[in-house]
Formats: sequence, structure tokens, C-alpha cells
Amino acid sequence: EDQVTQSPEALRLQEGESSSLNCSYTVSGLRGLFWYRQDPGKGPEFLFTLYSAGEEKEKERLKATLTKKESFLHITAPKPEDSATYLCAVQARKGDGGSQGNLIFGKGTKLSVKP
Amino acid sequence: DAGITQSPRYKITETGRQVTLMCHQTWSHSYMFWYRQDLGHGLRLIYYSAAADITDKGEVPDGYVVSRSKTENFPLTLESATRSQTSVYFCASSELHYLAPHGYTFGSGTRLTVV
Repeated sequence: EDQVTQSPEALRLQEGESSSLNCSYTVSGLRGLFWYRQDPGKGPEFLFTLYSAGEEKEKERLKATLTKKESFLHITAPKPEDSATYLCAVQARKGDGGSQGNLIFGKGTKLSVKP
Repeated sequence: DAGITQSPRYKITETGRQVTLMCHQTWSHSYMFWYRQDLGHGLRLIYYSAAADITDKGEVPDGYVVSRSKTENFPLTLESATRSQTSVYFCASSELHYLAPHGYTFGSGTRLTVV
């Protein structure tokens, strides 16, 4: 069964204090791993897609990396406006597992950045 | 306005009543999805649709009915609402399903409370 586990559930940082969020996954054959940001009362907003181990993507203070078993979202010198819930999702190759190629989401990490 | 819109934003209904949540997208995306988001479970797929008149079950379809007579609309109906269906419901769309480089684009959600 395809599964996604995110840790920690919640993370409190001081402004400027860098850290990482973890997304570990089990999927029969990974087609892609997606990171989303979700603000309170809003829908998830796309951040990154990673396809293969060793791949990295960057956007402002965020950098996403991928290994064969997990992905990390590194946040460098965060600001209060980075406070949000970060969601990880995986998509299995068609025909692998039972998810039929649909996105399978983790429960998210709620990040709070204090000034 | 271009995008994906959900209505209503908030809904309170009584146990046993039928309720329909609306989703409309202006991009003519082929694929549309319904997810529910609950504390402790993350986002779970209810139903999805590959095109008008083509729908399929996701992970948690019981108690829900969908239809798609037009490409731009994908309503979700709770035939007889139960308290366990209290949740935040998100509609999403994508031009592609399996090869979408940005995953899915989400609406702002409908918060449904069943009393």
C-alpha cells in the first residue's frame, strides 16, 4: 500500500533559524513527489515536483531534495510569512500499487515562525 | 475570474439531509478530483473524473455521489449526511492526470458541518 509519513507534525522556529521537514514514503514505483504549502482556510498551493533520487529544487528560502525513501524540505533563514502547513504527496507509476496514479498525501507539518 | 471555485464556503446541515457541494473550473481541465481533509488523516481522495461522464472511486467513496455532465463542473453530493462526514472538502483539477508536472490545482475548500 502506498503511504506517506511526514515529520514532525508541528515545528516552531525563531525567525532566521534554519531547519528541515521530512517526508518518508513507501510506493511501489515512484513517478513523482510533490510539495505543497497550505495556509489556514485555503487550499494547497503547489511548490515543487521531484522525480528521481538526487534531484533538488529551490525557491526563495525553500529547497526540496529527494532520496529513494524520503524527501526533505529545507527552510533557510525562515521568516514569519513562511508559517503554514507543508504537505507532501506521492504519485505512483500507473499499474503499481492501488492508488491508480492519484496523488497520495501525508498529514502535513505545521510550521510556525516567530519574529 | 479564471480558476477553480467551490461553493458554498461554509455549510451546516442536519444528519440525514442531502447536500451538494459545487466545484467549477474555468481552464477546461480534463481531470477533476474531490478530497476531504480531516485532522489526523490528511487529504484523502473521494472521487475523481477523467472527463465528462467518466468518474471513478478514490480511497473513501462511501456515502458520496458525483456526476460530471459538463467538463467545467464536478458536484459532490452527500445523499444522507452523517456526522462522520463533517470535514473540509477540496476540489482540484488538472489538465493531465498521470503526467501533470505541477500535480493538481486546488480550490479554497468547503467547510461542512453535519449536526
